[in-house]
Amino acid sequence: AQTVTQSQPEMSVQEAETVTLSCTYDTSESDYYLFWYKQPPSRQMILVIRQEAYKQQNATENRFSVNFQKAAKSFSLKISDSQLGDAAMYFCAYRELNTGGFKTIFGAGTRLFVKA
Amino acid sequence: AAGVIQSPRHLIKEKRETATLKCYPIPRHDTVYWYQQGPGQDPQFLISFYEKMQSDKGSIPDRFSAQQFSDYHSELNMSSLELGDSALYFCASSSLGGGSYNEQFFGPGTRLTVL
Repeated sequence: AQTVTQSQPEMSVQEAETVTLSCTYDTSESDYYLFWYKQPPSRQMILVIRQEAYKQQNATENRFSVNFQKAAKSFSLKISDSQLGDAAMYFCAYRELNTGGFKTIFGAGTRLFVKA
Repeated sequence: AAGVIQSPRHLIKEKRETATLKCYPIPRHDTVYWYQQGPGQDPQFLISFYEKMQSDKGSIPDRFSAQQFSDYHSELNMSSLELGDSALYFCASSSLGGGSYNEQFFGPGTRLTVL
């Protein structure tokens, strides 16, 4: 079964600094998607960034970028120029491509604190 | 743009009661997913439907049932509620009609409290 592991329950970053959130996953599949979701106190699940496993180029969305290491099954999120509004719970997630259902498997989450 | 609608947003029930949560997917989305997020937990997949048929099943208790209707909305029925059912229930929708990537759009969730 696929699993997603986030080993950092909490992280803290100074405003305007850079922080990296770690994620590893386990799968025997070759085609899949990886995601980072942000869940602010409102608890709305917001997609931050996604990565297709077949793409070697790391995805980037403005201040958010990933370091995708397929062989190592690692998928970290880098947040540059951190802002107070980035404070939230961040979930790393995995989704298969080729099986029915396409359910999302989430990691345990990393709570990010941003200090002014 | 239209988003996933969930109702009610908050629900308080007593133990052993029943609850029905509703999800209205984004227009033209044919697939609905249900997730349960307990306090301090990550979301756990419960069940999904594609074109009104169950497409996948996760850790959904036998006390829960769900279905997708002809207008693609879905309902999650929960009976004999237990304290441990208190959680945030997310619905997400996507379109599997085409393309290799079909983003799941999450609704705002229904917060269920069982007393």
